[in-house]
Amino acid sequence: GENVEQHPSTLSVQEGDSAVIKCTYSDSASNYFPWYKQELGKGPQLIIDIRSNVGEKKDQRIAVTLNKTAKHFSLHITETQPEDSAVYFCAARTGGFKTIFGAGTRLFVKA
Amino acid sequence: NAGVTQTPKFRILKIGQSMTLQCAQDMNHNYMYWYRQDPGMGLKLIYYSVGAGITDKGEVPNGYNVSRSTTEDFPLRLELAAPSQTSVYFCASRVPDGELFFGEGSRLTVL
Repeated sequence: GENVEQHPSTLSVQEGDSAVIKCTYSDSASNYFPWYKQELGKGPQLIIDIRSNVGEKKDQRIAVTLNKTAKHFSLHITETQPEDSAVYFCAARTGGFKTIFGAGTRLFVKA
Repeated sequence: NAGVTQTPKFRILKIGQSMTLQCAQDMNHNYMYWYRQDPGMGLKLIYYSVGAGITDKGEVPNGYNVSRSTTEDFPLRLELAAPSQTSVYFCASRVPDGELFFGEGSRLTVL
């Protein structure tokens, strides 16, 4: 089955710096790659997603890149702000029913 | 439109007790999921359902049961609770090819 690995597990940046979180997946049939943000005591919420027919997608300060050949995808957050502090999860889904998640990255943005 | 509603939010069980975590969604989503989240870990899929009357196992189904008698409800049953089931449980739903919408979570402690 699908396996998703996520790095780093913890990331600390200064406010205004960029943050990059990387994931790899194992199933070459995966075609949908969402990123979720989880704030303390809350359920995860989608922040951006990318499908396998696209190499990059951007939404304001957030961007995601996908390298299908290497089976890598990454989340880039620019101009980080304290409210970006949270746990971020990458995930992968084939055309089926299951979404498999990475282990998460705890991002700290220091003011 | 409440989205995905989970009850209870917190529960303490004794070893060997049983309980049901409730999940309801009002978005008319066909697909529903139960995940568990252990400290420092990602989300592991327990069970999922693609419609009323249809359920299937995820990555970690042992010790749990589910049913799906209506589109709206997807309860998770724990029989003979064990300390290893101490976790935060998230219910989620989606339409085919759509994003997952999560509930706020149910924090379960088994002592």
